[in-house]
Amino acid sequence: KAGVTQTPRYLIKTRGQQVTLSCSPISGHRSVSWYQQTPGQGLQFLFEYFSETQRNKGNFPGRFSGRQFSNSRSEMNVSTLELGDSALYLCASSLAGPRELFFGEGSRLTVL
Amino acid sequence: KQEVTQIPAALSVPEGENLVLNCSFTDSAIYNLQWFRQDPGKGLTSLLLIQSSQREQTSGRLNASLDKSSGRSTLYIAASQPGDSATYLCAVYNNNDMRFGAGTRLTVKP
Repeated sequence: KAGVTQTPRYLIKTRGQQVTLSCSPISGHRSVSWYQQTPGQGLQFLFEYFSETQRNKGNFPGRFSGRQFSNSRSEMNVSTLELGDSALYLCASSLAGPRELFFGEGSRLTVL
Repeated sequence: KQEVTQIPAALSVPEGENLVLNCSFTDSAIYNLQWFRQDPGKGLTSLLLIQSSQREQTSGRLNASLDKSSGRSTLYIAASQPGDSATYLCAVYNNNDMRFGAGTRLTVKP
């Protein structure tokens, strides 16, 4: 059974650009959540999607957005990139309801 | 607001030792608690999930306990090996919110 797949694994952007990250959950998992991990702040929750609806949102500015498609794949977008957005972005999937999370390998974003 | 703390931040032990990692949380009304392992630059690997109604879970050399009343969980690793070297994070889930500790960086020396 394939795990959670995140693409791209690494990317470099410059300030002001925008970026889109993709996450394909484990087959059958309908919940996808996104996290930002930095050395200074640790793991912080961005948002969670379930059945194409955002179910929960963390404390991040509106530049961070996401969506989920009918096949449960999810994308997150960051617009007007700032240096502080450099981080490892992790996606996790789970079955419906409070549940065990399974993480992808992450997308490492560097903003120059 | 739930706060999750892991102490110590780093731990170094010789191979073969048994060790305990600690996780504490401020709101005892949790739904579940999950322990993860993270290797450098990688994603998180789920180790053990403890539901709020459970007291402990075991998988191989790992045993996790949960004491909701005191807001604590421990991860016990038996007979540690160099391959156990990684950062271990705990996460608690309640009220549609998942909170992570900062992790304990474990080094097991051969």
